[in-house]
Amino acid sequence: AQKITQTQPGMFVQEKEAVTLDCTYDTSDQSYGLFWYKQPSSGEMIFLIYQGSYDEQNATEGRYSLNFQKARKSANLVISASQLGDSAMYFCAMRGGSNYQLIWGAGTKLIIKP
Amino acid sequence: DTGVSQDPRHKITKRGQNVTFRCDPISEHNRLYWYRQTLGQGPEFLTYFQNEAQLEKSRLLSDRFSAERPKGSFSTLEIQRTEQGDSAMYLCASSPAAGGYEQYFGPGTRLTVT
Repeated sequence: AQKITQTQPGMFVQEKEAVTLDCTYDTSDQSYGLFWYKQPSSGEMIFLIYQGSYDEQNATEGRYSLNFQKARKSANLVISASQLGDSAMYFCAMRGGSNYQLIWGAGTKLIIKP
Repeated sequence: DTGVSQDPRHKITKRGQNVTFRCDPISEHNRLYWYRQTLGQGPEFLTYFQNEAQLEKSRLLSDRFSAERPKGSFSTLEIQRTEQGDSAMYLCASSPAAGGYEQYFGPGTRLTVT
C-alpha cells in the first residue's frame, strides 16, 4: 500500500531563512509522482511542485525545490528566502502507477516569524 | 482562464438530510476528482472521472455518497441521509488530459452536519 509520512506537525522559521519540510513515502510502484501543495488559512489547495520517479534532476519552481532522494524514499520541499506569506499548511502527496488519485500526508504547519 | 469553482462554499444541514455539491472544472480539463478533508488531516480521495466516466471510487466511500459528471463538464457530489461524521471540507480538483499530473483545486465546500 502507498503511504506518505510527514513527521513535522509544525515549524517556526525566521523570515528570509531557508526551510526544509520533510516527506517520506512508501510504494511498490516503479513509476510514481510526488507533489507538494500549500494550503493557506483560506482553505484552497495550491499546487507548488512535482517530481516524477524517473526524473533525474530535482524539480525547481522559483523559490521552491524538491530534494528527491529515491533510495531513501524521501521528497523534501525546500523553500528558499522564506516570506511571511509562506505561512500555511504544506502537504506532500503521491500518485502511484496508473492511478490518478493522490495519497496525502498529514501536513506540516509552517509559521514564518517576522 | 478561470480556475475550478465549487458551489456552495458553505453548507449547514441537519442530520438525515440530503445535500448536493457542484464543481465546475477548468474548461479544458477532462479529469475531475473529489476529495474530503477533515480538520487537521490531509485530503482523502473519494472518486475520479475521466470525461463522463467514473473510473475510480474509494472503497471507503459509503453507499450514501454518489457522484455524477453528465456530459463530462461539471460534476455533482450528493450525500444522502447525512451523518455528523460527514462534516468536512469537500474539495474538487481537475487536471488536463495531456501534460503534467498536477491537479488544480477549487476553494472547497465546507459541510457542517448538526
